[in-house]
Amino acid sequence: DTAVSQTPKYLVTQMGNDKSIKCEQNLGHDTMYWYKQDSKKFLKIMFSYNNKELIINETVPNRFSPKSPDKAHLNLHINSLELGDSAVYFCASSPTGIEQYFGPGTRLTVT
Amino acid sequence: ILNVEQSPQSLHVQEGDSTNFTCSFPSSNFYALHWYRWETAKSPEALFVMTLNGDEKKKGRISATLNTKEGYSYLYIKGSQPEDSATYLCAKYSSASKIIFGSGTRLSIRP
Repeated sequence: DTAVSQTPKYLVTQMGNDKSIKCEQNLGHDTMYWYKQDSKKFLKIMFSYNNKELIINETVPNRFSPKSPDKAHLNLHINSLELGDSAVYFCASSPTGIEQYFGPGTRLTVT
Repeated sequence: ILNVEQSPQSLHVQEGDSTNFTCSFPSSNFYALHWYRWETAKSPEALFVMTLNGDEKKKGRISATLNTKEGYSYLYIKGSQPEDSATYLCAKYSSASKIIFGSGTRLSIRP
């Protein structure tokens, strides 16, 4: 059974489009995260979210918004996609806020 | 040190040799340090969570130490095997939502 899953695995889209990446975890964790792996291979936290609080990294453009329909899901919605949004996006969940379980990643390519 | 820095960036080791690499981080606002193992085309997997100065963790041939006062952690691999080839990431937590990852040390084991 996949603990943290993301769909789609690959996403190719044009500039200006709006897209969503879905994330689901079946671990019963309270906290979920979105990370962006940039061109230099750094993992940078974008959001952390539990059922009480959304914490946003202040460097994330407001075109990015997390949406959580329930505790097991944290989807990433991106408006007006730009070339610089091309990256691999990872979802993660955590029971403790420290140890994290990562999804397989979604490679987004904006053309 | 303002960011989390890992050295070396890459390392080539003969099978059977032992090796180690470093994670340096700002010593202020320390909450936890996490080591991850990241194989190509997969997602990061947790190795160790370290919280206390002087912590030593061990899992099989891999071990890690932590010095929070001077802001560094070492990861050691004893008797390297081909399956140890991966990128090793460290991440400093200042809180459950303030996480900074290093860029990783890419380890290749020569048979």
